[in-house]
Amino acid sequence: DAGVTQSPTHLIKTRGQQVTLRCSPKSGHDTVSWYQQALGQGPQFIFQYYEEEERQRGNFPDRFSGHQFPNYSSELNVNALLLGDSALYLCASSPGPHLHQETQYFGPGTRLLVL
Amino acid sequence: RKEVEQDPGPFNVPEGATVAFNCTYSNSASQSFFWYRQDCRKEPKLLMSVYSSGNEDGRFTAQLNRASQYISLLIRDSKLSDSATYLCVVVGGSNYKLTFGKGTLLTVNP
Repeated sequence: DAGVTQSPTHLIKTRGQQVTLRCSPKSGHDTVSWYQQALGQGPQFIFQYYEEEERQRGNFPDRFSGHQFPNYSSELNVNALLLGDSALYLCASSPGPHLHQETQYFGPGTRLLVL
Repeated sequence: RKEVEQDPGPFNVPEGATVAFNCTYSNSASQSFFWYRQDCRKEPKLLMSVYSSGNEDGRFTAQLNRASQYISLLIRDSKLSDSATYLCVVVGGSNYKLTFGKGTLLTVNP
């Protein structure tokens, strides 16, 4: 049973570019949440997808957008990259958007460096 | 005031020591509370949930004080393998997102 997978593992971009990160949830999970973790900080909630719709959103600008596919996998897109977007991007999946916080599993993350 | 605040750390303790981490939260409507552990350059993993009655899992004890909006984690008989960052997590009010503290780095020395 595969856990949460994310791709790519590492990525280097330059300011102004756009990036797409991908996440496949754990088998049996239909809800995907994305988090940004800057160096030395705790993860910050970006948004959550369920039934292919954004259900909740944290305090992130519109440059951050996402998508969920019928197979529950998800993408995070960041436009017009800034140096401050350099971080570890974590995907977490769970069996439902409102329940089972205890069963929210994190993927290994994508480490993004913006130069 | 930040939503979740933790002891800034870092903590450096010898093997066998007892260490306690503290965390406060600002939203009195918060519903669920957790401690996560994050190893260097790895993803966070759930360590334990925190209940009002307190809960214990081996060498780990978690406590919640709703009146003071305070959460704690106690680690007894520290092992080298306990070295990690410990993240306090709160699930609040009308939404169900995880709100993380900044984390406290623990290093257990031989």
